[in-house]
Amino acid sequence: QKEVEQNSGPLSVPEGAIASLNCTYSDRVSQSFFWYRQYSGKSPELIMSIYSNGDKEDGRFTAQLNKASQYVSLLIRDSQPSDSATYLCAVPQNTGFQKLVFGTGTRLLVSP
Amino acid sequence: DAGVTQSPTHLIKTRGQQVTLRCSPKSGHDTVSWYQQALGQGPQFIFQYYEEEERQRGNFPDRFSGHQFPNYSSELNVNALLLGDSALYLCASRGGQGIDTQYFGPGTRLTVL
Repeated sequence: QKEVEQNSGPLSVPEGAIASLNCTYSDRVSQSFFWYRQYSGKSPELIMSIYSNGDKEDGRFTAQLNKASQYVSLLIRDSQPSDSATYLCAVPQNTGFQKLVFGTGTRLLVSP
Repeated sequence: DAGVTQSPTHLIKTRGQQVTLRCSPKSGHDTVSWYQQALGQGPQFIFQYYEEEERQRGNFPDRFSGHQFPNYSSELNVNALLLGDSALYLCASRGGQGIDTQYFGPGTRLTVL
């Protein structure tokens, strides 16, 4: 089992819809979780972090965490064509040195 | 507030050559990590530097080495380049051992011919 798993997509949604991106992780003791957005040819950009079970909202983005199910998700409301990118889920390995373990990323396509 | 910077932006080398990539962390950050991202994959951890020492290493051969300077900037060196080393090399910095949020630089695109 991979440490961090994501559906590679592409996930296609129409403009204005809600995009739901999912991520599962294997290390039960993980405490923090990150979502990065990566446009083609660019570097990852941090968009959300979440540490506690439940929802965390920031503008059009909502991160959801369920530690019992080892599941973290990212919802994008009112999706825009500019949201089209690859979304990477990252979980620090619990070694004290915070090595980030990434999923392969989910490619999101928002059509006008 | 300057973010993470990397140089060069792009680099083309031939097999067997050596390359040095450079990174300056975000202002106030003292920990630098290097990642390799192949096309279509998530970034893979190479190693992390803190207090001028390599603190953790990923599953990369000894051809990959690094250094951190007293001003917290860092270099990644790759010897005896292989075609498979072609990738986007990313530097990430964070504000110390107790802080886990990492910010990435723009990356260096390395092409090995």
